Amino acid sequence: GQQVMQIPQYQHVQEGEDFTTYCNSSTTLSNIQWYKQRPGGHPVFLIQLVKSGEVKKQKRLTFQFGEAKKNSSLHITATQTTDVGTYFCAGPGNNNDMRFGAGTRLTVKP
Amino acid sequence: KAGVTQTPRYLIKTRGQQVTLSCSPISGHRSVSWYQQTPGQGLQFLFEYFSETQRNKGNFPGRFSGRQFSNSRSEMNVSTLELGDSALYLCASSLGPSSYNEQFFGPGTRLTVL
Repeated sequence: GQQVMQIPQYQHVQEGEDFTTYCNSSTTLSNIQWYKQRPGGHPVFLIQLVKSGEVKKQKRLTFQFGEAKKNSSLHITATQTTDVGTYFCAGPGNNNDMRFGAGTRLTVKP
Repeated sequence: KAGVTQTPRYLIKTRGQQVTLSCSPISGHRSVSWYQQTPGQGLQFLFEYFSETQRNKGNFPGRFSGRQFSNSRSEMNVSTLELGDSALYLCASSLGPSSYNEQFFGPGTRLTVL
């Protein structure tokens, strides 16, 4: 069935370094959503991408949706300690259920 | 506007028991989805309810069931609990179907099965 793969599983960075997480789907997605979960917290919606090749920015965060609508990425410029958490991508499965990637856990060393 | 609330927040049960978890969505949201989160499996979709109807269901055994009431509040039930059911159960509400709407997650119910 349709799968959403996310890499890397973990990323440790020094504060100020950049960070990128990648999401790949085995099938074309109608849209992709990104969520952030702080340690001990619950997922919080960041953004939804719908159009092929779409790029959206939120301050230091840049989200991209691939031309084929099968991959996406989240890039954080100059990470801060407040960026710590697990970043998930999610896309609709064949059953219209939201399939979440395994997440990328980001730790930032001050 | 109040966020998504879940009760109870923590629960300890023993194998073979059953449990009911409750979720109150954001006012005006008609869709409620349930997820199981474990360290090894990540976020796994259980089911989604929209306007009191189950819209879709994930790959979980029939011991997992749910329902939605006319006020959009939702409950999920797990019967004959197994050790492997220990997890954080999250519900999320959205204005419309979750497959193309922003989801708002509740704090979750931490279930421990002994």
